[in-house]
Formats: sequence, C-alpha cells, structure tokens
Amino acid sequence: EIVLTQSPDFQSVPPKEKVTITCRASQSIGRSLHWYQQKPDQSPNLLIKYASQSLSGVPSRFSGSGYGTHFTLTINSLEAEDAARYYCHQSSSSPGTFGQGTKVEIK
Amino acid sequence: EVQLVQSGAEVKKPGESLKISCQGSGYSFSNYWIGWVRQMPGKGLELMGIIYPGDSDIRYSPSFQGQVTISADKSINTAYLQWSSLKASDTAMYYCARHLYAGERDAFDLWGQGTVVTVSS
Repeated sequence: EIVLTQSPDFQSVPPKEKVTITCRASQSIGRSLHWYQQKPDQSPNLLIKYASQSLSGVPSRFSGSGYGTHFTLTINSLEAEDAARYYCHQSSSSPGTFGQGTKVEIK
Repeated sequence: EVQLVQSGAEVKKPGESLKISCQGSGYSFSNYWIGWVRQMPGKGLELMGIIYPGDSDIRYSPSFQGQVTISADKSINTAYLQWSSLKASDTAMYYCARHLYAGERDAFDLWGQGTVVTVSS
C-alpha cells in the first residue's frame, strides 16, 4: 500500500500570506495525486486533480505541483475562508490512499 | 442535480449489524466507481474501498478487508457499506464519494453528506 505523508500537520498563517503544504509518496505515483479541502462539519471538496490540474469553481489562489513522490499544494494570499484541513490522495494504486491531513489556521 | 445522498445517522450497540446506503442521482450511476471513506472523530480520511456499480467489481483497502462489506444495486442507483458485528471503534463519519471519470484510478469529485455511525453499549 502506498503511504502518503503530509507536512506540516498544522500551520497558523496570517491572512494574505502564502501557504505551502507538501505530500510525499512512499513510491512513485506519477501525477496521480489529488488535493481536497475539508472545512469543519462539511464533506471534503476536490481542489486540484492530477497534481496540478485546476477545477472549475476553485479559486485561482489554489495551485498544485509535483511528480513522482513529491507534491505541493500552494495557497497564494490566504483568505479567512481557507481555514480548513487539507488532504492529499493518490489514485496510482487501487483503491487509493489519503495523507493524514494538514490543518490550516488563520492567525 | 448530480448528487449522492446518504442514509441517516445510526446508533447501534456492539455486536449489532448495520447497512448504510448512498444513492446517486443526476448521472449514470452504473458507470462511475464509488468509494467509501471513514473519518473517525477528530481524525483524517481513510479510504475503505471502492466499487464499480456496473458489475459490482470491488477493491478493498488492506486495513478494511474482511471488516466490512461493500456492495451496490445498480437498479436503484445505490451503494452500500455494511458490518456484520459492530465494534465501538467503528464509531465514525462515513462518506461515499464518486470518481471524477469512469476509471478505477481517479480523484473523487462528488461526495455524499456523510453518515454518522455511533456504536455504544
């Protein structure tokens, strides 16, 4: 089973600052890495698919990059509504696995 | 409207059985893999397994193989997650989610609202 390790586990960041979350895979997964946002008491929401592909309706301040075993989610100019937990998910090996999550707090 | 609607909250005792459901609408249910995801209180997302409703092909995550049963009835656009003997450690929120495209290895773009399962004596 492919293990995904996110870092950091927690970040407290002022508004308008940049946030970077990394996700490392235990083996190469190509670009089969996706990012989700989960706000308190809500279902997760897909932010980025296949490492760097944006989705309709997701603010442009969210972007992703990476390939193989090292991936990054970047939030440019953090807004109050971005307070949430963020998860990476690999679909290279079925059925897939999630990272442990990164909580982002607005300072 | 494209959506997944899950069954309501459940309160059960240890040792009891349970089957929760996830009904899709607004799209061709048979043609997209559906996954089940566990979220224990205050914890992260865990992928339990996925099913292709068209032919009920299933992939279990190793941690959940033998612990739960995933099934689907494509005639009523519904996927299921069931337990034969619940434990207190099964207390969690359970989400169903649909794959973005019609492939086995994919992102989840559509999520149900979640079903809270509480197991307590």
